[in-house]
Amino acid sequence: DGGITQSPKYLFRKEGQNVTLSCEQNLNHDAMYWYRQDPGQGLRLIYYSQIVNDFQKGDIAEGYSVSREKKESFPLTVTSAQKNPTAFYLCASSIVQIQPQHFGDGTRLSIL
Amino acid sequence: ELKVEQNPLFLSMQEGKNYTIYCNYSTTSDRLYWYRQDPGKSLESLFVLLSNGAVKQEGRLMASLDTKARLSTLHITAAVHDLSATYFCAVGGMDSNYQLIWGAGTKLIIKP
Repeated sequence: DGGITQSPKYLFRKEGQNVTLSCEQNLNHDAMYWYRQDPGQGLRLIYYSQIVNDFQKGDIAEGYSVSREKKESFPLTVTSAQKNPTAFYLCASSIVQIQPQHFGDGTRLSIL
Repeated sequence: ELKVEQNPLFLSMQEGKNYTIYCNYSTTSDRLYWYRQDPGKSLESLFVLLSNGAVKQEGRLMASLDTKARLSTLHITAAVHDLSATYFCAVGGMDSNYQLIWGAGTKLIIKP
């Protein structure tokens, strides 16, 4: 079955450490997205990519970095510059702009 | 700047009752989406609304869009416990390409 796979499901970060969240899709979608969700809030866009080797900052990109070397993969690195990384991170993809986004199951990141 | 406001943010209701969730947005948009999220889970696409007067229905849920009023509604008919979830609307701006702006979500609890 086609879908989006995020790993790990739970991740713990030590202070000063960079961590990378994985997102892989086999839907053949061109566009991919990373969102952050805090308790009781809506989703906020971190980065998005419309095509391989290209990506744009969203509203809260500071302290995060991404790469898009393959169509299927869009990993997110939470750097030590992100001082409040505890959140639920969701990866999504869409075939074109107007179609709804499909979401992975998310990664819950906490600070040790 | 596009802003999206949902209300109510929390709704507790009895099975069998009808209710409506509202999604207001601040600037012109060409697309609006409704999603469902179960606790600790990912988001599931419910409806895509692309034109003024659009109405979509799936089971006990019906969504509509009034682009002149910049308002979408999600109506629940004869609620059942399985519809308990958080419902989000997301709006695409005319100049935002792939970006969506998300409402804060409406947490719906349906009591047997």
